[in-house]
Amino acid sequence: SYELTQPPSVSVSPGQTASIPCSAHKLGEKYACWYQQKPGQSPVLVIYRDTRRPSGIPERFSGSNSGDTATLTISGTQAMDEAVYFCQAWDSNTIIFGGGTKLTVL
Amino acid sequence: QVQLVQSGGEVKKPGASVTVSCKVSGYSLTNHAISWVRQAPGQGLEWMGWISGNYGNTNYAQKFRGRVTMTTDTSTSTTYMDLRGLRSDDTAVYYCAREIVDGTSFFDYWGQGTLVTVSS
Repeated sequence: SYELTQPPSVSVSPGQTASIPCSAHKLGEKYACWYQQKPGQSPVLVIYRDTRRPSGIPERFSGSNSGDTATLTISGTQAMDEAVYFCQAWDSNTIIFGGGTKLTVL
Repeated sequence: QVQLVQSGGEVKKPGASVTVSCKVSGYSLTNHAISWVRQAPGQGLEWMGWISGNYGNTNYAQKFRGRVTMTTDTSTSTTYMDLRGLRSDDTAVYYCAREIVDGTSFFDYWGQGTLVTVSS
C-alpha cells in the first residue's frame, strides 16, 4: 500500500522559514495537500493541488511537490503556526495521510 | 457559509454499534461527496471512506469494509456513518469532511468531530 512519510517533529525560530517534507514513491506524479491541526480543533486545509492556497490562508504558506517529496514551507513563521501538519494524497481511489509533523516555534 | 455539524459524543461497549451524523448547510449535499476520517487519541488521521452526495455511492477503505456503512439523506442534508463490532481501538474522534474532486481529492471543510469512546 502507498505510504506517506513525515518527520515527527520540526522546530523553527520565530520569523524564520520552516520546511516540512512528505515523502513517498513518485509522489511528484500525484497531487499533495496539507492540513494544519491545532490541539482540540479540526484540521484546516492550508495547501491543495501541491501549491494552491485556499482563501483565508496567509501567503506565508506555500507548497511544492517534485520527485518523491512534497514540501510545505512556512515563511516568516509565527507563534500561531505552531501545530501538527498532515500531508495527504490520493492513490488508487484511496485517501492517504502522512503521520503528521509537529511544528514547534521556539 | 459552509458548515458541517456532527452529532454529540458517544460511549459504547465493545461489540456494540455507533452511528454518527453530519448535517451540512451552506451548500447542496448532492454537489459533493462526504468522507469520514478518524483520529485516535494522540494519533494521526485515518480515512475511512466516502459517500457521494447525489446517488449515495460509497467507497470504503479496505480496513473498514464489512464493518462500516455510510448513508445519506438528501432531504435533511445529513450523512450518517455506522460502525459495527466496536473495539477499544475504535476509540477516536470521528470527523466528516467535504470532499473536493479536482484531479485529486482533498477536504476543504470539516465537521467539529465526534468523540466515540469504546469501553467496558
